[in-house]
Amino acid sequence: GENVEQHPSTLSVQEGDSAVIKCTYSDSASNYFPWYKQELGKRPQLIIDIRSNVGEKKDQRIAVTLNKTAKHFSLHITETQPEDSAVYFCAASDTASGTYKYIFGTGTRLKV
Amino acid sequence: DAGITQSPRYKITETGRQVTLMCHQTWSHSYMFWYRQDLGHGLRLIYYSAAADITDKGEVPDGYVVSRSKTENFPLTLESATRSQTSVYFCASSGWTEAFFGQGTRLTVV
Repeated sequence: GENVEQHPSTLSVQEGDSAVIKCTYSDSASNYFPWYKQELGKRPQLIIDIRSNVGEKKDQRIAVTLNKTAKHFSLHITETQPEDSAVYFCAASDTASGTYKYIFGTGTRLKV
Repeated sequence: DAGITQSPRYKITETGRQVTLMCHQTWSHSYMFWYRQDLGHGLRLIYYSAAADITDKGEVPDGYVVSRSKTENFPLTLESATRSQTSVYFCASSGWTEAFFGQGTRLTVV
């Protein structure tokens, strides 16, 4: 079945440094790749997403890159701040088939 | 209020009892999902629904039942609760791409 692997499981960086979280998906039909941030005790919330027809997308300090050939996508956070501390989840979804089910990675706990 | 809401927020139940977790959304989103969140496992998909009366199994459906008679509601039932079903349960809905999550239900089975 579909699977999304996410690494690392924990990441500790100094304030101002960059953080990179990597995900690999198995379903070649996946065409939508969102990233969610979950603060302690709260619900996951979308921070950025990318579609399969785009290689890179940026929104202020965060960016996502996608390599369809390798089935690999990454989240990049620059100039990290204490408020970036949270658990980050990647996900993959096939929106073309009509099922739209999101398969999530196991999460990365980022400490700044 | 507009949005997606889950009830109850917290629930303690005994092994073997039936429990139903409620999920209601006001956006008329077609797609709804149930996930469970456990340490080390992230968010695992239990069931999802593409529209009223259309449901399908996710990654971990055993022990759970869902129904969707109305677009706005997607209840999740544990027919005979087990300790392994102790978890935080999130409902989510999506109209096209972004999935919006409810606030979660923390379920403890004793």
